[in-house]
Amino acid sequence: AQRVTQPEKLLSVFKGAPVELKCNYSYSGSPELFWYVQYSRQRLQLLLRHISRESIKGFTADLNKGETSFHLKKPFAQEEDSAMYYCALSGNSGGSNYKLTFGKGTLLTVNP
Amino acid sequence: ETGVTQSPTHLIKTRGQQVTLRCSSQSGHNTVSWYQQALGQGPQFIFQYYREEENGRGNFPPRFSGLQFPNYSSELNVNALELDDSALYLCASSPDGIRGYGYTFGSGTRLTVV
Repeated sequence: AQRVTQPEKLLSVFKGAPVELKCNYSYSGSPELFWYVQYSRQRLQLLLRHISRESIKGFTADLNKGETSFHLKKPFAQEEDSAMYYCALSGNSGGSNYKLTFGKGTLLTVNP
Repeated sequence: ETGVTQSPTHLIKTRGQQVTLRCSSQSGHNTVSWYQQALGQGPQFIFQYYREEENGRGNFPPRFSGLQFPNYSSELNVNALELDDSALYLCASSPDGIRGYGYTFGSGTRLTVV
């Protein structure tokens, strides 16, 4: 079974402060991990995927298989980072079905 | 490059009725998935279609069914609507289930069952 846990429903930081959104997962195989973001009144969009090890809008995320975590980090938060963030896992559970399993999301608010 | 488009954007139905939601996948994408997002929750996987065949299904009853057409557009049908079916329904497309690619999401259809 695939499971994604985002322990914080709400996270509030001040502009310029570091931010870390936590994500833990459970999966018996080799997972693909993603972070999706949803800005106010916009569609869900892909922010990061662990396989490409990229930094997008200053955000990074490292897959830690030992701790089964994929935390999202940014050293200096900006007001425009305020959004709902979802961690998601894609596994092929014995087939070609790479369905996404999402966490419940963390609402990040960056205060001026 | 066009994105994923869904119709209608909002819908109100009565309990017991049937509903059909539509999705046009992003150009070049032949895999379509449907997700249900209840208020305050993350999206939950309903099912996925690849080249017109269902190739994966989540924990949803058979009254949730779908179709994918030769142009890779898709429909989600829900029969015998229940109040708990009220949610945002998201369509997502991906090219050929390429591992690690992720999905492109539509804006969703907000279904309210009264």
